[in-house]
This record gives sequence, structure tokens and C-alpha cells, in this order.
Amino acid sequence: DAEITQSPRHKITETGRQVTLACHQTWNHNNMFWYRQDLGHGLRLIHYSYGVHDTNKGEVSDGYSVSRSNTEDLPLTLESAASSQTSVYFCASSLTPEAGELFFGEGSRLTVL
Amino acid sequence: KNQVEQSPQSLIILEGKNCTLQCNYTVSPFSNLRWYKQDTGRGPVSLTIMTFSENTKSNGRYTATLDADTKQSSLHITASQLSDSASYICVVSPHSGGGADGLTFGKGTHLIIQP
Repeated sequence: DAEITQSPRHKITETGRQVTLACHQTWNHNNMFWYRQDLGHGLRLIHYSYGVHDTNKGEVSDGYSVSRSNTEDLPLTLESAASSQTSVYFCASSLTPEAGELFFGEGSRLTVL
Repeated sequence: KNQVEQSPQSLIILEGKNCTLQCNYTVSPFSNLRWYKQDTGRGPVSLTIMTFSENTKSNGRYTATLDADTKQSSLHITASQLSDSASYICVVSPHSGGGADGLTFGKGTHLIIQP
């Protein structure tokens, strides 16, 4: 069965360190997204990609970057982790760019000390 | 600014009872509205999608309604089960042809089913 997987599921890091969260999907979807989820907020879009070598900033992109070198993967990098980036991160993919059904990964819980 | 408001924030009901979750939106123009279910520690999963022309849609014990005139949707759960304990998220798409980056997410309703 096609799926979308995230790793690591849990990570603790220190302020200032670089962190990369992996996202891999086997749906062969062109469209991939990174969201963060915090108490009191809905899911907020960080970055998204509509295809290989395409990346775009979302609502809360400061301090994050992504790259898309193939269809399957969209890694999210925190260049210099800050305590404000402690959150649960969700990767998602969709078949169509115009708001089709999003297929979410299981999430990566990141704690920045 | 496009907004999606969900109520209540949290809800506790006894197993076997029915409940209704509300979603009000100000997104315009409107294309479709989805309800997602998010189990604790898991990613959201789509339950149902409502387009502009649809009033009611069922998925098992889940029934979603949409009133595009008043910009309100509801999710009714019948004969609740312990497995219904989850957060339910309302997501609105502004218009067809727009990207998924235009989606507006509600903050969710946290539902607890007690035995």
C-alpha cells in the first residue's frame, strides 16, 4: 500500500543546532507540504512543493527550508533550531494541487531545549 | 482574512450517545469543505468532503451537512464509540483552481467518548 512516512518520530535537540526532518511518500504525488501543529493553533503551513525542484514558502516559513530533488522526498531543515520551533510537524501529500485530499504522515515531535 | 471557527473546543460524551460538531467559515469564494479525524499521536485522515452544491453526506456513523448560504457545516456522530475519541478538524478550500496552500484550517474539536 502507498504511504507517507516521517522520521524521526521524536527528536530532542538544543538551541542553535541544525535539524532535518525527513518525509517520504510512495503515492507518487507531485504535491507535498509541511505543517506544524501547536496547541491553540490549527495546522499552519511551513513550506510546500508542487514538483521536483519547486519549493514555496508558507505562512510560517521563517527559520525553515526545504528542497525537492525527487518526487518521493521533501526534507524539512531547521537551520538553527529555536525553542519557538518546539512543535509537532506533519508532512502531507496530495494528488492535485487544488486542495484535493491531503494524506498526512504520522508526525514528528520536535523539542528544542 | 479567511477564517474557520470550530465549536465546541472540546466535548465529552458517553459511549452510545450522539453529538454534533460545528464549523463556521468566512472563506470566500468557497470551493469545498473537508472534515478530518485526528487520533491522538497520529496524522489527520479525511472523513468527508462537501462541495458547494451538497447539503448532506454520510460516511458510516458520520454525517456532514453544509449550508453554503450561512457558511456553516456540522459533523454529526451517531451512536458514538470509544474509537471516535479524537480531534475533528474542519478545512475549507477557497476556490477551485487554487492551490492547497490556500487551505484554511480550523483549530479542531477535541472529542472524548467515555465508557
